[in-house]
Amino acid sequence: DTGVSQNPRHKITKRGQNVTFRCDPISEHNRLYWYRQTLGQGPEFLTYFQNEAQLEKSRLLSDRFSAERPKGSFSTLEIQRTEQGDSAMYLCASRDREAGETQYFGPGTRLLVL
Amino acid sequence: LAKITQPISMDSYEGQEVNITCSHNNIATNDYITWYQQFPSQGPRFIIQGYKTKVTNEVASLFIPADRKSSTLSLPRVSLSDTAVYYCLVGKAAGNKLTFGGGTRVLVKP
Repeated sequence: DTGVSQNPRHKITKRGQNVTFRCDPISEHNRLYWYRQTLGQGPEFLTYFQNEAQLEKSRLLSDRFSAERPKGSFSTLEIQRTEQGDSAMYLCASRDREAGETQYFGPGTRLLVL
Repeated sequence: LAKITQPISMDSYEGQEVNITCSHNNIATNDYITWYQQFPSQGPRFIIQGYKTKVTNEVASLFIPADRKSSTLSLPRVSLSDTAVYYCLVGKAAGNKLTFGGGTRVLVKP
């Protein structure tokens, strides 16, 4: 296991379509995070899981967004009825439970909504 | 949340030392200072974290004065591959909600 992986790396979709992204965290990392990053800005927190429990959601996560981590391992982020404003890089990160451990980020999924 | 100010961009040349200063005047007593590096089309990568004085690892050094209202990330002898955006974050050592600012775009020229 070499790190956090995300699929797909790129996604182009038309406005109104649904998209789903997958994140596979580092093995045995019990915490998983989703961030969104638009061009020229730093990443913004969306939500995080401890095992399968979604513990916090940002106000950025509108009703069209849903994230799951059903078995406490991989996670999916779904965006329904995509809008052009959803175009961004969606980043996933994971962290071990040990105190002092930092978050390790994946390469991201770049979404373009036409 | 601590308000963070860092330069928008910096240029340097190969072999030089790059110092990026981050201002965080209202840092809380239990806050740590963490720096991340991000290359284009990649996720951020942890560089270094500190609470006070000086921290050094194989990649960088972090200098934090006694009042902790600022910190300086030092990258020794940069190469072209150090061209990236560097983010200064202030918060818990292992926080669950990282708050990124705009970062500092460092361009290393040959």
